[in-house]
Amino acid sequence: AQSVSQHNHHVILSEAASLELGCNYSYGGTVNLFWYVQYPGQHLQLLLKYFSGDPLVKGIKGFEAEFIKSKFSFNLRKPSVQWSDTAEYFCAVTGGGYGGSQGNLIFGKGTKLSVKP
Amino acid sequence: EAGVAQSPRYKIIEKRQSVAFWCNPISGHATLYWYQQILGQGPKLLIQFQNNGVVDDSQLPKDRFSAERLKGVDSTLKIQPAKLEDSAVYLCASSSGWWAGRGNQPQHFGDGTRLSIL
Repeated sequence: AQSVSQHNHHVILSEAASLELGCNYSYGGTVNLFWYVQYPGQHLQLLLKYFSGDPLVKGIKGFEAEFIKSKFSFNLRKPSVQWSDTAEYFCAVTGGGYGGSQGNLIFGKGTKLSVKP
Repeated sequence: EAGVAQSPRYKIIEKRQSVAFWCNPISGHATLYWYQQILGQGPKLLIQFQNNGVVDDSQLPKDRFSAERLKGVDSTLKIQPAKLEDSAVYLCASSSGWWAGRGNQPQHFGDGTRLSIL
């Protein structure tokens, strides 16, 4: 079955600490991978996306993610977090092909990040 | 560009009542999605539209949930009758679909409707 696993439910860090959030997926065939972020009181926003090519993807606000196909992983990283990064982070996968339900997002359960000032 | 608009933001009803949610996608986006997000979980797809046609409604509880997108733009999602387990945030998203060489484009989400069933 298609699924996404996020390893951490709640991560608490101090400002300037480095961040890595784990994400593993189960999906047959080619995939497109996404990280979305939801700041308190706001809607889901795209952080970054992997389509093809360079497995290291850079997103907004200094975030990056690395696609490791052999491990079915797409971990999110940031070298130095800020208080404003406090939010919930969702990893998601779609099929890479055209048509039908290929574009449907399958989400993980999310990781809540709390950054202490 | 204007984002995905949803209304209402909040709704409280009693079980067995009916409720409807409205969504206006980003202009030009042919693909529209409805998701249900239960507290502590990620969003789960309920239904996908391509223009005014249903692409995937395999996870829609059709005995009580219905959705339509009659003119290929706005969409409504209805629950009738509501059950306690329907308490959730209902999210609408839209995208420009699949592009050759660029894959499935990101979905843009609205603020959602938080539904509470008493």
